[in-house]
Amino acid sequence: GAGVSQSPSNKVTEKGKDVELRCDPISGHTALYWYRQSLGQGLEFLIYFQGNSAPDKSGLPSDRFSAERTGGSVSTLTIQRTQQEDSAVYLCASSLDFGPNTEAFFGQGTRLTVV
Amino acid sequence: AQSVTQPDIHITVSEGASLELRCNYSYGATPYLFWYVQSPGQGLQLLLKYFSGDTLVQGIKGFEAEFKRSQSSFNLRKPSVHWSDAAEYFCAVGDDGKLIFGQGTTLQVKP
Repeated sequence: GAGVSQSPSNKVTEKGKDVELRCDPISGHTALYWYRQSLGQGLEFLIYFQGNSAPDKSGLPSDRFSAERTGGSVSTLTIQRTQQEDSAVYLCASSLDFGPNTEAFFGQGTRLTVV
Repeated sequence: AQSVTQPDIHITVSEGASLELRCNYSYGATPYLFWYVQSPGQGLQLLLKYFSGDTLVQGIKGFEAEFKRSQSSFNLRKPSVHWSDAAEYFCAVGDDGKLIFGQGTTLQVKP
């Protein structure tokens, strides 16, 4: 597609349930990133993929969070046993390749609300 | 550790007035610096970036930023603000491919 696509755009879930957030990057972009935006913490890096592998998972807040990428394209961020503090906007970005000077293009995000 | 500080959480300017948003960074090597804008309900859009060379960089929508190594700053400027510039602005430093963001500055534009 023309841009980074994320689904769903909004998700309300009950505490303790699992959720899956999807990111469809720009075609041909090898690098894919997940960030979280919340009121108290600002924009935080979660994980990035180079192809299908994830060299840096340092930002994942706990072992309830996991992500995968298949076929060098679509990525899924999974949060197990959701907690209220997981409520945030989850942003996905992609770039043509990986490096400090490559431009990342962001999707519009998935707003997750845990009730 | 690498970090980015945006000292102003909220700024209000009148339409047509000039704007400067402050950004300070802490980074051990030559920084790769970015400014992004986020309008309500939208994702982040890149305004401009600095990698090397000329320290004054031009971006989209009439924005510019100046890299000052001596001050560890990368302030964003616009000579004349439009009502449509009301948004949240994020400064970021590239760190090993990922972005480290400041806390953001919310810009309000008065008519």
